Amino acid sequence: NAGVMQNPRHLVRRRGQEARLRCSPMKGHSHVYWYRQLPEEGLKFMVYLQKENIIDESGMPKERFSAEFPKEGPSILRIQQVVRGDSAAYFCASSPLGAGSETQYFGPGTRLLVL
Amino acid sequence: TQLLEQSPQFLSIQEGENLTVYCNSSSVFSSLQWYRQEPGEGPVLLVTVVTGGEVKKLKRLTFQFGDARKDSSLHITAAQPGDTGLYLCAGSNDYKLSFGAGTTVTVRA
Repeated sequence: NAGVMQNPRHLVRRRGQEARLRCSPMKGHSHVYWYRQLPEEGLKFMVYLQKENIIDESGMPKERFSAEFPKEGPSILRIQQVVRGDSAAYFCASSPLGAGSETQYFGPGTRLLVL
Repeated sequence: TQLLEQSPQFLSIQEGENLTVYCNSSSVFSSLQWYRQEPGEGPVLLVTVVTGGEVKKLKRLTFQFGDARKDSSLHITAAQPGDTGLYLCAGSNDYKLSFGAGTTVTVRA
């Protein structure tokens, strides 16, 4: 039973480029959450998505960041015109129930380094 | 923002010793999770506690949720080098997990 999958595991971008991070939830899970872990800080909630819907994006910066979870395919977190401060580990989690579910399962993360 | 504070920040002990990690908040949570994260990997769920005063045991690990559902502790008995890692607590009132900064535990052989 495959867990949450994320790719790439490591991503290097130059300032101004676009970063595209992918997340495939666990089989049977239709709710996806993205978190960011900055160096020396805890994980911070960014966005919660269901298939084709953004439920809560209150933790996501208003500019340059967007997320989607299409009917088919993985969830995508897109960062446009990356800056050095975007360097962090980005984790995706999934759950089978969504709102009210206390159990989220995390992927291995994507480590983004902006040069 | 619901803040969770973990203590201590770092803990280094000898194999066979016991340890306790604490997670405290001024906010009430409907549930609290403990995760362990190893370098370069994602957090791995250890346990979810939902009832005030609840105690859960997982082999050598004992988790307790405070009566007021604001704090929790993780106790490891007879620690082993394989217990080394970053221990994270996360509180939830809906789908949004609020994480502590973590306790880095090192168990020396």
